[in-house]
Amino acid sequence: DAGVIQSPRHEVTEMGQEVTLRCKPISGHNSLFWYRQTMMRGLELLIYFNNNVPIDDSGMPEDRFSAKMPNASFSTLKIQPSEPRDSAVYFCASGGRDTDVGYTFGSGTRLTVV
Amino acid sequence: SQQGEEDPQALSIQEGENATMNCSYKTSINNLQWYRQNSGRGLVHLILIRSNEREKHSGRLRVTLDTSKKSSSLLITASRAADTASYFCATGSAVLMSGSRLTFGEGTQLTVNP
Repeated sequence: DAGVIQSPRHEVTEMGQEVTLRCKPISGHNSLFWYRQTMMRGLELLIYFNNNVPIDDSGMPEDRFSAKMPNASFSTLKIQPSEPRDSAVYFCASGGRDTDVGYTFGSGTRLTVV
Repeated sequence: SQQGEEDPQALSIQEGENATMNCSYKTSINNLQWYRQNSGRGLVHLILIRSNEREKHSGRLRVTLDTSKKSSSLLITASRAADTASYFCATGSAVLMSGSRLTFGEGTQLTVNP
């Protein structure tokens, strides 16, 4: 298994532009999580899905952020319009029904908004 | 908001020594997990301990959990330079039996000097 795949690895965009981050979870996993990591705030849970359904989006900072999971093998996190304070590393993680083995993280997308 | 708090924030030791990191949390949990993050990389799951367990071992790792004190510790024995990384504790709390939300602490930066 190739693990959790995120794209792009790096994204530099101008303020006001739309940004779309993508994630392919591990096949067979039924939970998917989006986290944001910054030096100031550490790792923040933005939203998570179970069986493609959003369970908790209370961590989504503003209406500018939206996430979808149209099927079990794909999820997107969109920021529109982007702002410099959105600059961070965004991680996607997935987990199977056996939650006792922990979750698998992708390599992250480093987003820089200038 | 962060659930776990790691202590110390940074730890520097010599190769061969043991490293102990502590984690405290605030609310009820059903499991506690430890993850490792190398600089610029995603998080890697190390070990999970359930709320009804007190101690668990995995190779050079030993985790303890004291639910009465809401605290956990991670011990790495016979440390190696390759153990240099950030270590995070994460608490899992099942929500509506639909997956387990993970909340991370701020991490301990471990440096093992050769």
